[in-house]
Parts: sequence; C-alpha cells; structure tokens
Amino acid sequence: DVKVTQSSRYLVKRTGEKVFLECVQDMDHENMFWYRQDPGLGLRLIYFSYDVKMKEKGDIPEGYSVSREKKERFSLILESASTNQTSMYLCASSGPGQGARGVDGYTFGSGTRLTVV
Amino acid sequence: KNEVEQSPQNLTAQEGEFITINCSYSVGISALHWLQQHPGGGIVSLFMLSSGKKKHGRLIATINIQEKHSSLHITASHPRDSAVYICAVRGNQFYFGTGTSLTVIP
Repeated sequence: DVKVTQSSRYLVKRTGEKVFLECVQDMDHENMFWYRQDPGLGLRLIYFSYDVKMKEKGDIPEGYSVSREKKERFSLILESASTNQTSMYLCASSGPGQGARGVDGYTFGSGTRLTVV
Repeated sequence: KNEVEQSPQNLTAQEGEFITINCSYSVGISALHWLQQHPGGGIVSLFMLSSGKKKHGRLIATINIQEKHSSLHITASHPRDSAVYICAVRGNQFYFGTGTSLTVIP
C-alpha cells in the first residue's frame, strides 16, 4: 500500500531543461516536503508546503520552485537544470497539527534519482 | 558544522552480531527519529523518541537527553538489515545526520 508516490525512480535530463518532479500522497496530509540527499551531506530541505497554494523555503531553495495546486500533489520544479542538481530527491508528507519542516509520523516516497548531463 | 553526527559512517557485520549505531547532536530538541533507507532510496521511520528507550522486534533505540546522545541497536543482525540508518532531530527545524551504511554478511 503505497502512500507517497514519486512519479519517476530514475530521470536523466540535459543542462538547461525544465524538470518537473511529481509527488502524490493519499493520506490527506496537510504538510508536504521536498528534500535532496547527497553523499556526505545527508538530507537537506528544499521547500515545504503546509497547505494548498502555500509554500515555504527550506534550507537550499536556490534553483528550485514548487507548486501545490491540490492537497495531494506537491511538485518540485527545476527551472533550468544544472549538473550540480544531480542528486536523489525525496518527497515526504505529514499530518495536521504536527508543524512544519517535517515532524512526527512523516512518510517518505521512494525517491527520484536525477542525473543532469 | 554538523548539528547531528553519526558514527560509524560504515559498518560491516557478520549475521547474528549485535550492532550499535550512535548519534550525537548539538541543538536542543523535542524529538529524535531513527530512519532506515534501503538501496533504491525508500525511507521508513523506525522510531521517534523524546526520552528513554523504545523496542520494536530486534531494534532498540535509546536516548539520553542530558548527554544529547542516542543509540540504535540491532540484535541478532540479519542480511535484510543491510541499509543506511539515518538519525534526525527536531529542534526549531529538522536536522539530519549523514547516515550509517550497514552491511550484514551471511
């Protein structure tokens, strides 16, 4: 029973392309998050959203934007992909009253490994 | 400067061994999480701790708030325990350790 689904497991894009990473959750969670994971750096928060059409910058938002038009879907957008955005991207969600930036009971997706060439 | 430090970074064990992974943090926290990430990327939350000790099957997690330290223990390790284990703490934001890569050899 998959609860947080990321649309692609592996993705290869060219430098300068606009890239969309999609995340869908079926738990009716208010909060959704995008992280990237790099060797030696761990997980770093890019953006999060605590409600439809709401978004907040995380620790490393530069070069990224997000869209949350529906509660269940949170999209990460790379406006012009660059090689330093090659990484593993992880989406997560959490329920109400649990604050922002990731809290108790959050669920991760399986990740999207993006390579920018 | 890392707010969360894990040790060791890499660990290889024989099946059946008792394993300990350590996590130290430098910020005030309200909760600490242990996460497990299998090859392929998926992450699951193993434990959320704010004090004391929790046990789930062969996994035990402890936390000492005064010493700002937590340990994850795996008893009777098995090859299926091979994964990256990540410590995460919640203060005014979430901080993640860089993970401990565990390989259990049959």
